[in-house]
Amino acid sequence: EVQLVQSGAEVKKPGESLKISCKGSGYSFTSYWIGWVRQMPGKGLEWMGIIYPGDSDTRYSPSFQGQVTISADKSISTAYLQWSSLKASDTAMYYCARHESGIAGDMDVWGKGTTVTVSS
Amino acid sequence: QSALTQPASVSGSPGQSITISCTGTSSDVGGYNYVSWYQQHPGKAPKLMIYDVSKRPSGVSNRFSGSKSGNTASLTISGLQAEDEADYYCCSYAGSSTLVFGGGTKLTVL
Repeated sequence: EVQLVQSGAEVKKPGESLKISCKGSGYSFTSYWIGWVRQMPGKGLEWMGIIYPGDSDTRYSPSFQGQVTISADKSISTAYLQWSSLKASDTAMYYCARHESGIAGDMDVWGKGTTVTVSS
Repeated sequence: QSALTQPASVSGSPGQSITISCTGTSSDVGGYNYVSWYQQHPGKAPKLMIYDVSKRPSGVSNRFSGSKSGNTASLTISGLQAEDEADYYCCSYAGSSTLVFGGGTKLTVL
């Protein structure tokens, strides 16, 4: 079964760093782009960026460039989303998703999401 | 890069058909045949319903269909059922290796 398993919920303070993960299984992890999507409480979906685990080629939405870092470790089939200094406005659900057919393509497999809460 | 425009809400009775529009620009929806639609039930991850404007993934009911005209894409659900009640999001390739989502539409089955 093709699946993406995300790390558990996080509660952090403003200014702290954080790295959440997304582990793929059931398919060739290095052959598909993995994207990250943010959903703030009660709001819609926002595409953040994408990585190709095969060579770590990474692209960002202009809205998130410089705000987060996307990375991957192909040896353990895992993609990451990280922050160096969290803000309260980073409180959201974060989903990873497999891009079925390249950067422009649809997201056919989704993780269940990781809730990030940033509060003092 | 602005979000695509969707109606905030639509509603319909069981058995009826509804259409959700998704309006962008020639730089996204109108410029590429890479429009997808996602269904999201409360507390759940999104689910792919339509890709490449009008293609349906295996396992998705043929009651769901997609189309595009100019800068506007549309999702049509026919034979509305109670379980179709959810939020629906369109998504388009926007060039320069980026994607953009619509603001989402809440579908209520009356």
